[in-house]
Amino acid sequence: EAQVTQNPRYLITVTGKKLTVTCSQNMNHEYMSWYRQDPGLGLRQIYYSMNVEVTDKGDVPEGYKVSRKEKRNFPLILESPSPNQTSLYFCASSLTYRDRAVIHEQFFGPGTRLTVL
Amino acid sequence: RKEVEQDPGPFNVPEGATVAFNCTYSNSASQSFFWYRQDCRKEPKLLMSVYSSGNEDGRFTAQLNRASQYISLLIRDSKLSDSATYLCAAPRGDSWGKLQFGAGTQVVVTP
Repeated sequence: EAQVTQNPRYLITVTGKKLTVTCSQNMNHEYMSWYRQDPGLGLRQIYYSMNVEVTDKGDVPEGYKVSRKEKRNFPLILESPSPNQTSLYFCASSLTYRDRAVIHEQFFGPGTRLTVL
Repeated sequence: RKEVEQDPGPFNVPEGATVAFNCTYSNSASQSFFWYRQDCRKEPKLLMSVYSSGNEDGRFTAQLNRASQYISLLIRDSKLSDSATYLCAAPRGDSWGKLQFGAGTQVVVTP
């Protein structure tokens, strides 16, 4: 089954304790992205990756790191989480056109609900 | 100004009626637009892509108005199961890799 998986689905942690949220897709998609969703603010892009070893900042990258060592995986790292990073996080992947000029429709993972105390 | 803006609603629609709502975008060079459906803070799921003037899929029709820079979504013969939040998305102006989502339009279909 074609899918995007995220782990963990739920996490409660404390300020400053490093954590990683994993994201994996089995559709051979080149493009992957992380979003956070907060009430009233909608989905905001954190980081995205157009291909292996290529990552770029989205709208709200502060406090986050990513890596893209393999095509299928795109982990999100919070080196020192803070309460304002409490949010619902979604990973997504999609194909791109051959010239990388247009992003296809994205497939989203089930989400990770993170609470930082 | 936000790059993608939506009326948050809610749009309360009687079952069987038609509802339409818009999404305005600021990047005039955008070539692709998307409507996603999201239920109760679950993952967004693609409803429809719009690459030219519009698209139609069953009861759902998306129209693109490039002159006024908005895309609309029309739902005909609304079902109770259409109750959801509808998100529109468009590429950012400074990078094709950056996707901007609207905050969503809530639709509530009532019996």
